[in-house]
Amino acid sequence: EPEVTQTPSHQVTQMGQEVILRCVPISNHLYFYWYRQILGQKVEFLVSFYNNEISEKSEIFDDQFSVERPDGSNFTLKIRSTKLEDSAMYFCASSKSRDWSEQYFGPGTRLTVT
Amino acid sequence: DQQVKQNSPSLSVQEGRISILNCDYTNSMFDYFLWYKKYPAEGPTFLISISSIKDKNEDGRFTVFLNKSAKHLSLHIVPSQPGDSAVYFCAARFNAGGTSYGKLTFGQGTILTVHP
Repeated sequence: EPEVTQTPSHQVTQMGQEVILRCVPISNHLYFYWYRQILGQKVEFLVSFYNNEISEKSEIFDDQFSVERPDGSNFTLKIRSTKLEDSAMYFCASSKSRDWSEQYFGPGTRLTVT
Repeated sequence: DQQVKQNSPSLSVQEGRISILNCDYTNSMFDYFLWYKKYPAEGPTFLISISSIKDKNEDGRFTVFLNKSAKHLSLHIVPSQPGDSAVYFCAARFNAGGTSYGKLTFGQGTILTVHP
């Protein structure tokens, strides 16, 4: 069964450093998403991506964040200068279509900023 | 952001009995609802969904009920099994040609424990 994969599973970085979280969505999916879950809190939407551009983003997704689909398979989330409050589980998701279509999530990357 | 709420942090059920997980929402613009299951150190796994034009959707042991007038949905698991023990999230989205491109708004989750 096709699945969304994410690497690394755990990333530890120092405050102010740049990190790139990587995702390989399901191959025939067209819509891609990043969510995060801070420990003890809800899963929160960050950004959606379609047709090589951001289609929607949340207030959390400020200038420190960027997304890219550098080739036909990878989808990345970059945080330019990490802050302590960026520590969270980051989930990538993908879906076939925008409407009436479930999103499939990857296993997540645990980001720890020290 | 309290647009989707799961008011029960936890639920404990005996194996073989019914588990009922509840979810309330406030935004009447939501018209597609999903339930996800999550094990520790894993991503959310899609379980079942329902659109606002229906009031019930069934898939094996899982049934989701939607009461639009009450802005309430519930997930029934019958019979419950120990392997169902996980965190269950409901999620909602705006849909069908609107300006949203699929953003899911999640509830806080309910920890389900099914005892053998």
